[in-house]
Amino acid sequence: DQQVKQNSPSLSVQEGRISILNCDYTNSMFDYFLWYKKYPAEGPTFLISISSIKDKNEDGRFTVFLNKSAKHLSLHIVPSQPGDSAVYFCAASAGNYGGSQGNLIFGKGTKLSVKP
Amino acid sequence: DAGITQSPRHKVTETGTPVTLRCHQTENHRYMYWYRQDPGHGLRLIHYSYGVKDTDKGEVSDGYSVSRSKTEDFLLTLESATSSQTSVYFCAIRAREGAQYFGPGTRLLVL
Repeated sequence: DQQVKQNSPSLSVQEGRISILNCDYTNSMFDYFLWYKKYPAEGPTFLISISSIKDKNEDGRFTVFLNKSAKHLSLHIVPSQPGDSAVYFCAASAGNYGGSQGNLIFGKGTKLSVKP
Repeated sequence: DAGITQSPRHKVTETGTPVTLRCHQTENHRYMYWYRQDPGHGLRLIHYSYGVKDTDKGEVSDGYSVSRSKTEDFLLTLESATSSQTSVYFCAIRAREGAQYFGPGTRLLVL
C-alpha cells in the first residue's frame, strides 16, 4: 500500500506561471516532508523540506505547504522557468517511530514540463 | 554537493553474474542508503547503513546484500544478477537535518 502518493504523473505549465505539484500521504506518524527534483541521468536533488510543526516553508521561488488534517502537501514554483522541467518526487519520514530510522518513503514522481 | 561518488556509472552484465556497486562519501556521514529507481515505482529503498558494520534491510532487499567496513564506503552486491535487477541505482547519505543527498547513480543492465 502506497504511503506517499503523487496522483499526477505529469504536469504542463507555461513559463512565468505557477506550477503546483501535489502529494498525499496516509501515515499519520510522518513528521518530516521533502521535495526532490530529478533531471534525466542525474541523481535526485534536494529542493525544500518542511517539518510537521509548520504549515509553510519558503525558499526563493519554491514554497511547500503542509495540511496535516488533510494529509496533503504541495510544492508551488513561482514563476516557473523552462529549467524547472524535471521529475519531482515527494518524500516523507516518520523519524525513528516504529524503528523506521528516519528512512524516507518516496512518491512515484510528477514530471513537470515548463513551456517557453 | 555532498561529496558522493558512485562506481561504476554504467555496467552491462549477464544473468547469474555477481555484481558489486560502490558508493563513496567524503564527509563522514553516519547514514548511507541504496535505492533503485524504476519507471512507475519512484525510488525504493534496498538497504541502509547506520554505521560501520551496521546495516538493515529496506523495502526491496531480496537478491541484494550490502557491506560497510569503513565510514566512507557502502557496497551493494547482487550475488547472482537477474534481469529484474536491471535498474538505476542511487546511493544517498543523510545530512544532520534529515534530508538525504544522492549520488549520480549507476545504470545497470542485466542481459
